[in-house]
Amino acid sequence: QVQLVQSGAEVKKPGASVKVSCQASGYSFTTYYLHWVRQAPGQGLEWMGILNPSGGSTTYAQNFQGRVTMTRDTSTSTLYMEVSSLRSEDTAVYYCAREPRGSGTYDYWGQGTLVTVSS
Amino acid sequence: QSALTQPPSASGSPGQSVTISCTGTSSDVGGYNYVSWYQQHPGKAPKLMISEVTKRPSGVPDRFSGSKSGNTASLTVSGLQAEDEADYYCSSYAGSNIYVFGTGTKVTVL
Repeated sequence: QVQLVQSGAEVKKPGASVKVSCQASGYSFTTYYLHWVRQAPGQGLEWMGILNPSGGSTTYAQNFQGRVTMTRDTSTSTLYMEVSSLRSEDTAVYYCAREPRGSGTYDYWGQGTLVTVSS
Repeated sequence: QSALTQPPSASGSPGQSVTISCTGTSSDVGGYNYVSWYQQHPGKAPKLMISEVTKRPSGVPDRFSGSKSGNTASLTVSGLQAEDEADYYCSSYAGSNIYVFGTGTKVTVL
């Protein structure tokens, strides 16, 4: 069965970086797009960016350009997202989600990773 | 890219229907048939309920249906049940590999 399993919770200080992973299983890793979505406490969902695992190309939401980097390791079917220059407003649950190509739909989601930014 | 606009809340008694709107622009909702809807219970990951405006994934009750007119998409939940109480989010493709979510609607079953 399809699974997206994310890394565990992180606590970081302002100005630091964090790298979250999302390991996919149960399907062909390179044939579906992957996204990162975040949700601040008590807030809505916010789209961060997309990665095409086939070639590694990425597109980021304007709010995150220059501060977020998405990469992948096809040998381990793992997606990564690094956020730099963390600030308190980055405290959120970060989700990875799979998109069947050309559907604009997130059909499977990871369990979420809580990143807390606090001094 | 601005978030799509949803009403903050909606409610209905068990057995009744509730409809949630999702308003965007001709650059997102109105421009593509790639609107999807997600249900989120507290502390859980979102769950896909409707894809590509009207498609219901396997396992989703047929009480859930989607539609679109112009720049506004809608999710209707018929025959409300207690377990339908959750937050609901719409999402749309916005071109050039950009995607956007709605502001979210809390559905309460009275």
